[in-house]
Amino acid sequence: QIQLVQSGSEVGKPGASVKVSCKASGYSLTDYVLHWVRQAPGQGLEWMGWINTNTGHPTYAQGFTGRFVFSLDTSVNTAYLQITSLKPEDNGLYYCAKPKRTVYRGSYYYYMDVWGTGTTVTVS
Amino acid sequence: DILMTQSPATLSVSPGERAALSCRASQSINNNLAWYQQKPGQSPRLLIYSASTRATGIPLRFSGSGSGTEFTLTISSLQSEDFAVYYCQQYDNWPPYTFGQGTKLEIK
Repeated sequence: QIQLVQSGSEVGKPGASVKVSCKASGYSLTDYVLHWVRQAPGQGLEWMGWINTNTGHPTYAQGFTGRFVFSLDTSVNTAYLQITSLKPEDNGLYYCAKPKRTVYRGSYYYYMDVWGTGTTVTVS
Repeated sequence: DILMTQSPATLSVSPGERAALSCRASQSINNNLAWYQQKPGQSPRLLIYSASTRATGIPLRFSGSGSGTEFTLTISSLQSEDFAVYYCQQYDNWPPYTFGQGTKLEIK
C-alpha cells in the first residue's frame, strides 16, 4: 500500500528554520515526482511546487521562492521541505502528494492521488 | 493562472438528501479536474479525477460531471461521514496547479 508519512509537527522561532520530512512507502520515491501543498490555518489548499525525484531539481510556485527548499534523500526514500527565515505567515499545514497519470485525447495529465499525513508548522 | 471558483461556500443539507457542489474554471480545462474531500484533522482524500471517474474505494453515491469550465460533484444520499470540506482542483494547465476555495458541506 502506497503511503506518505510526514513528520508530525515542527516548531521554530521567527527567523529560524524548520525541516519537514515526507517518507514514501510502498513505492520508490524516484518513480514519481513529488508535490508540496500548503494549507494556512482555516484556509484552502495552495500548491507550493514540485521536485523531480530523479534529478532532484525543484520547481517553486510564485510566493514560494527564496525561503522554501525542496530536497531528497533517496537512500531513505524521503523528501524534505525546509522553510528558512521563518515568518508568522508560514504557520499552517504542509502536505506532500504523489501524482498519478491520466490520459486525455492522447496527452498525459497528472492529478494528486496520494497525500501525506500532513505536518503542522508553528512559528512561535 | 487558472482561477477555480467553488459555490456555494457552505451548503446545509439533511442526511439522506442529495447535495450538488459546483466548481467553475476561468478557462477551459477539458475534463482535467479532481475533487477532494477533507475532514477536520485529516489530509485531503481523492474522490474523483478526470471530472467523473471515481477513485478506488469511493462509494457510488459520489459522482462527478462536467467538462470545459463547469463541473459538479453530486452526493446522492448524504451519510453522516460525508459532512466535510470539498475542494476541486484543475490539473490541465500547470504550473501552477490551482484549487477552488472549498465548499463546506454541513448538516442541516
